[in-house]
Amino acid sequence: GAVVSQHPSRVICKSGTSVKIECRSLDFQATTMFWYRQFPKQSLMLMATSNEGSKATYEQGVEKDKFLINHASLTLSTLTVTSAHPEDSSFYICSARSPDRYEQYFGPGTRLTVT
Amino acid sequence: QKEVEQNSGPLSVPEGAIASLNCTYSDRGSQSFFWYRQYSGKSPELIMFIYSNGDKEDGRFTAQLNKASQYVSLLIRDSQPSDSATYLCAVFGPNTGNQFYFGTGTSLTVIP
Repeated sequence: GAVVSQHPSRVICKSGTSVKIECRSLDFQATTMFWYRQFPKQSLMLMATSNEGSKATYEQGVEKDKFLINHASLTLSTLTVTSAHPEDSSFYICSARSPDRYEQYFGPGTRLTVT
Repeated sequence: QKEVEQNSGPLSVPEGAIASLNCTYSDRGSQSFFWYRQYSGKSPELIMFIYSNGDKEDGRFTAQLNKASQYVSLLIRDSQPSDSATYLCAVFGPNTGNQFYFGTGTSLTVIP
């Protein structure tokens, strides 16, 4: 299957700071990338859908000014958690889909802890 | 009604048995169906996809699709303890826009 990387895998930051998470498709061009959040023992929650070269589409209840998404190229999307708070601590996972396939491939995830 | 429904489990089967995981979906126009496996603390991993009615086999895994009943299942033969994970069903189709709908997952434990 296709390979998607995420960086960093773990990050600890202080409350009020911002954190950037990178998602890269390594062996295919991803016109669409997705950002999910998952709290312990809960299901995946889609935060936003990101298309290369256009603004991300955010799910209801997700603050677009707090979770900034940039899909600047066909292989890179970034999620910036601005002014992070402890309640933002979660497992953030990106996925990518190539234009000629339906399936999504997930990155390994980033575990964010806000202290 | 949720777009995709799965029994949350937990489902326990003895090692070597067949594990059967089920998923129903509400959008009759759905076209593509996926099974992901997620180990605790890890991200989901695609294990099977199926587009046509019937069965699709890949090693110990068989996906079964019945569009008339809006039902998709995953069978795991000769279950191993390493199959213990949460299995997520996902659906994609013309009415879901550019995204998947995921079920909440079924937790499977294979008992040695």
